[in-house]
Amino acid sequence: AQRVTQPEKLLSVFKGAPVELKCNYSYSGSPELFWYVQYSRQRLQLLLRHISRESIKGFTADLNKGETSFHLKKPFAQEEDSAMYYCARPGEGGSEKLVFGKGTKLTVNP
Amino acid sequence: DTGVSQDPRHKITKRGQNVTFRCDPISEHNRLYWYRQTLGQGPEFLTYFQNEAQLEKSRLLSDRFSAERPKGSFSTLEIQRTEQGDSAMYLCASSLVLAYNEQFFGPGTRLTVL
Repeated sequence: AQRVTQPEKLLSVFKGAPVELKCNYSYSGSPELFWYVQYSRQRLQLLLRHISRESIKGFTADLNKGETSFHLKKPFAQEEDSAMYYCARPGEGGSEKLVFGKGTKLTVNP
Repeated sequence: DTGVSQDPRHKITKRGQNVTFRCDPISEHNRLYWYRQTLGQGPEFLTYFQNEAQLEKSRLLSDRFSAERPKGSFSTLEIQRTEQGDSAMYLCASSLVLAYNEQFFGPGTRLTVL
């Protein structure tokens, strides 16, 4: 089965430090990958998608086909970045559903 | 608030009872999705609709679960003969047809089965 794997359940960094949240995928063909974020007491929301190559709230994610990774990075973490982060991909065979990883809880300490 | 809404936000029930949840999507969105999330896991797909048509159901969705979207607007998810293993957060999301990968999520309904 095509999967996304987030190897870290928890990640803790200090404010101003770089942060990298890992996502690995097993996929055939051209993958489409996304990062969703859930801040405390807020709804799950799209953060960014690989196809748009955008930077949102200082975060970027580069698709590395050689390493089958889509890691989320930010050079200088802020306390407001503390949240749950989920890597996701579409379902197989053109399905419209999203398949999520188990998530990484990021804590940015002051 | 013009976002996705869900009702109720919390539901406590006894094992064996039936429960029904409602989701109101963003008004112009014709796709509506249901997911379930348990502690320590990401959201898990249950089913989705395009307008009133149910286009896909997860193989994990037992026949105790049924979902409808009768007029292509709001949707209901019913669980019959609830079991303790059904305890979870039930999330609804909606999207436009051409932007399926940006799904807008509701606040969820937390179900506790005693």
